[in-house]
Amino acid sequence: GAGVSQTPSNKVTEKGKYVELRCDPISGHTALYWYRQSLGQGPEFLIYFQGTGAADDSGLPNDRFFAVRPEGSVSTLKIQRTERGDSAVYLCASSLNGDSPLHFGNGTRLTVT
Amino acid sequence: GENVEQHPSTLSVQEGDSAVIKCTYSDSASNYFPWYKQELGKGPQLIIDIRSNVGEKKDQRIAVTLNKTAKHFSLHITETQPEDSAVYFCAATAGGYQKVTFGIGTKLQVIP
Repeated sequence: GAGVSQTPSNKVTEKGKYVELRCDPISGHTALYWYRQSLGQGPEFLIYFQGTGAADDSGLPNDRFFAVRPEGSVSTLKIQRTERGDSAVYLCASSLNGDSPLHFGNGTRLTVT
Repeated sequence: GENVEQHPSTLSVQEGDSAVIKCTYSDSASNYFPWYKQELGKGPQLIIDIRSNVGEKKDQRIAVTLNKTAKHFSLHITETQPEDSAVYFCAATAGGYQKVTFGIGTKLQVIP
């Protein structure tokens, strides 16, 4: 079946602009996660959704970052006033429930110039 | 919070040899330890995992061991093949959900 789909695969934006990154989880997966991976590093946790609600957003670096999952399926990660330090690969993952293994998408590579 | 250390950062082996990657974790409450393989331009893919009530788990050429007392866990790949070349991440989590802390990764190169 289809895996986790992330769009766009690449995004280049100018410093100060607003961006939205989209994640389509595997159908039927109730849990959804966002991670960020900087070059040469392992992924770092940003936020976890169980259904429509953000159960843990402790990994969001500051209030410029926000994520939603209004219908419990597709999620959007929103970054305001982008900074060059936001450049990274943003990974989305879903799991059948909160205690099941993660299935990652291929990520969105964000470059802030 | 949890801290996961991983070594080596790079590893080159001849095809057919074994590869071992070692990790340590800091949070004694961690109870789930997945290993991921990441190929260039792709997301991490789970290859094997182990829970804290088990000391060893094997799946064909891949095995993981866990020493809870020492807070060490390791990945062993036997009879390596060129397609095993990738970056491997160890990870740990104590939560009831997958708020996973990853290691820095090991770039494995299998030389034909």
